[in-house]
Amino acid sequence: QVQLVESGGGVVQPGGSLRLSCAASGFSFSSYGFHWVRQAPGKGLEWVTFIRYDGSDKYYADSVKGRFTISRDNSKNTLYLQMNSLRDEDTAVYYCAKQESSSWYAFDIWGQGTMLTVSS
Amino acid sequence: QSALTQPASVSGSPGQSITISCTGTSSDVGGYNYVSWYQQHPGKAPKLMIYEVSNRPSGVSNRFSGSKSGNTASLTISGLQAEDEADYYCSSYTSSSSLVVFGGGTKLTVL
Repeated sequence: QVQLVESGGGVVQPGGSLRLSCAASGFSFSSYGFHWVRQAPGKGLEWVTFIRYDGSDKYYADSVKGRFTISRDNSKNTLYLQMNSLRDEDTAVYYCAKQESSSWYAFDIWGQGTMLTVSS
Repeated sequence: QSALTQPASVSGSPGQSITISCTGTSSDVGGYNYVSWYQQHPGKAPKLMIYEVSNRPSGVSNRFSGSKSGNTASLTISGLQAEDEADYYCSSYTSSSSLVVFGGGTKLTVL
């Protein structure tokens, strides 16, 4: 079935790094763009970053620009989020989400989320 | 502070209709037809309910509908059911430095 499965979350000290992965199955991964969206505990959704289907364009929220890098491996049907210089305020559940077929800006398939805690 | 403004909470009785508003600017909601709505139950991932202002994905009940007027988009749920109780978020494409912005979310309570 169509699904996205995130992994790689955990506890990291401020200033540290971590890489999240998102494995896709049940559809043509290489045909779609993907987003990362995060949700701090008890808070709302925050868009983080987007990558086009072929990796040619990437966009970032101001809050993570210069610290986070989105990438993908279409041969492995996997999306990544490299996070460096982590801050307390990066603590959140991170979701990967597939763009809707006709629109970059809507997310029609979501993973279950992976939790990142930044704490000393 | 979120880029899009939603009411913190709304409520309604079973069978009634409710509307959730989402107010932005001409740089996002008002300038483009790329407004989406998501439903999120506690501890679950969000679910797409409406995209491009008024389009429903396959499998979403026709009790959910979307519209837009000026800088404000709206999600209407008719024939409220207990399972509609959830948090609802709007989002929009934005021409600002980010690509997508979300509203702060609205908690729907079915009385």
